[in-house]
Amino acid sequence: EAQVTQNPRYLITVTGKKLTVTCSQNMNHEYMSWYRQDPGLGLRQIYYSMNVEVTDKGDVPEGYKVSRKEKRNFPLILESPSPNQTSLYFCASSPRGGQGAYEQYFGPGTRLTVT
Amino acid sequence: GQNIDQPTEMTATEGAIVQINCTYQTSGFNGLFWYQQHAGEAPTFLSYNVLDGLEEKGRFSSFLSRSKGYSYLLLKELQMKDSASYLCAVRGDNDYKLSFGAGTTVTVRA
Repeated sequence: EAQVTQNPRYLITVTGKKLTVTCSQNMNHEYMSWYRQDPGLGLRQIYYSMNVEVTDKGDVPEGYKVSRKEKRNFPLILESPSPNQTSLYFCASSPRGGQGAYEQYFGPGTRLTVT
Repeated sequence: GQNIDQPTEMTATEGAIVQINCTYQTSGFNGLFWYQQHAGEAPTFLSYNVLDGLEEKGRFSSFLSRSKGYSYLLLKELQMKDSASYLCAVRGDNDYKLSFGAGTTVTVRA
């Protein structure tokens, strides 16, 4: 089954404790992206990747890191989480980025709470 | 920056029609997407517009006017399962970035 998977689905952690949220897709998509979703603010893009070893900042990259060493995986790293990073996180992938009707396929989401 | 506005909530009756408006002010324009998101679930793709006009897909249609910075999603013959949040997203001058509105929650009543 074609899908985007994220782990963990739920995480409660404490301020300053490094964490990684994994994202994997099995559709051989070139483009992958991370979003956070907060009430009243909608989805905001954190980072995106056009292909292996090519990443760039979205609208809210502060406090996050990403890497794209393999095409299928795009982990999101919080080196020192803070309470304002409490949010619902979505990973998404698309056959390509750029112009065209390339819909994004979203993972199930990771609900992160930082205390 | 990108500014995308949608109404926060709408309510309609089963079988009726609802129109969800989206206005945008962005740096450049290279396409507009509509996604549906049921509570507690991931967004799923509904439609894409890049040229002016109406795109129809079954009960759902999406319209775009680039000169007015305006789009709408039309949901016809509403069903209870259409109760969800509808997200408008614009791709601006950076082809790889997508900016979302805050979403419109549609409640369908019997």
